[in-house]
Amino acid sequence: DTGVSQDPRHKITKRGQNVTFRCDPISEHNRLYWYRQTLGQGPEFLTYFQNEAQLEKSRLLSDRFSAERPKGSFSTLEIQRTEQGDSAMYLCASSFWGSAGVPYGENIQYFGAGTRLSVL
Amino acid sequence: DAKTTQPPSMDCAEGRAANLPCNHSTISGNEYVYWYRQIHSQGPQYIIHGLKNNETNEMASLIITEDRKSSTLILPHAMLRDTAVYYCIVRRIYKLSFGAGTTVTVRA
Repeated sequence: DTGVSQDPRHKITKRGQNVTFRCDPISEHNRLYWYRQTLGQGPEFLTYFQNEAQLEKSRLLSDRFSAERPKGSFSTLEIQRTEQGDSAMYLCASSFWGSAGVPYGENIQYFGAGTRLSVL
Repeated sequence: DAKTTQPPSMDCAEGRAANLPCNHSTISGNEYVYWYRQIHSQGPQYIIHGLKNNETNEMASLIITEDRKSSTLILPHAMLRDTAVYYCIVRRIYKLSFGAGTTVTVRA
């Protein structure tokens, strides 16, 4: 049973460096989501893809952040010129969106274990 | 999405039922109630969801009031490994909007 896989699990970097995280969704899932979670808070939505198309970006996703899903399978999230405020857990989720007319509410998102980023 | 209100924390005894309340008084007719939990340092885990009817699966039961303004997640026999933050989410669109959740501590 392969769930959502995220790599690396932990990343320590110095301020100003670039970092890239990878997410491999559940194989048949066509939707992929990124969330960010800071200490003591619930996860916050960043962006999501349907296949390779990025359909929505939160205002939390500043210009230093970029996400891609080039072939509609795995996704990467890159943060350029990291700042201490970027320290957080970055979570990836995936879901299967089968057909029009199915309520969004029936579209269950399954999460990976996350990548914890520490910016020194 | 509608906002939810949950108690910040609760304790329960191992082996007993845990009843987790959630208020969502501004819920709309097409918004679903979702429950996730997050065990320390792990990603959120889906538990259950429902629209109007009560739901049950192998993990929990979800009881939604007739007016849909509140719901209760029931863990029938709480185990130590159920200690986690439990999030009640009212969802209509693609994204999940997490609040602060309820920190549930199961005690031996």
